[in-house]
Amino acid sequence: AQSVTQLGSHVSVSEGALVLLRCNYSSSVPPYLFWYVQYPNQGLQLLLKYTSAATLVKGINGFEAEFKKSETSFHLTKPSAHMSDAAEYFCAVSSGGATNKLIFGTGTLLAVQP
Amino acid sequence: DVKVTQSSRYLVKRTGEKVFLECVQDMDHENMFWYRQDPGLGLRLIYFSYDVKMKEKGDIPEGYSVSREKKERFSLILESASTNQTSMYLCATSPRLAVGELFFGEGSRLTVL
Repeated sequence: AQSVTQLGSHVSVSEGALVLLRCNYSSSVPPYLFWYVQYPNQGLQLLLKYTSAATLVKGINGFEAEFKKSETSFHLTKPSAHMSDAAEYFCAVSSGGATNKLIFGTGTLLAVQP
Repeated sequence: DVKVTQSSRYLVKRTGEKVFLECVQDMDHENMFWYRQDPGLGLRLIYFSYDVKMKEKGDIPEGYSVSREKKERFSLILESASTNQTSMYLCATSPRLAVGELFFGEGSRLTVL
């Protein structure tokens, strides 16, 4: 079985500060890992994905994540937070396959203070 | 751009009513999903479909059924709504071979009184 754990349901940073959102996964097979973002009153959209190529993955809006197998982690970072980054972020894992099932974490709500 | 349209953004229903949530996509994607989103619980998969008339149970199918008669449309049915089904429901689609790349609708917020 696969699962993801997001540490911290709420994270608050100042504008311009580093953003670090934590995600640890559990998987008995090589995982595919994802970060999705949900802005207020909207559906989720894909931020970035790891599919066993480069371990450092760059996504949209300046975000990136690093796959660390030894730590079973896939933390999301951004060097400098912007007010528009305020949203809920979800980590997700998949074992692949044609049906494309994703297992989501419980989400981290990011607040950006001026 | 992929467009995933959910028929109702907000619904209020009474306990015991039959509820239909409709989802339509315009990109010819094979896979379609229904998730439920609750605070502190994230997204949980209710049902998914990988082809017309094909469906599989997700993690929390109890109290729900689905219908996929046409490729572009995937319906979620609550046969007899209960208060514990008050939630945000999200529909998503994906091409068969695009691992993890789901396209979501804006969601349907259902309140059951």
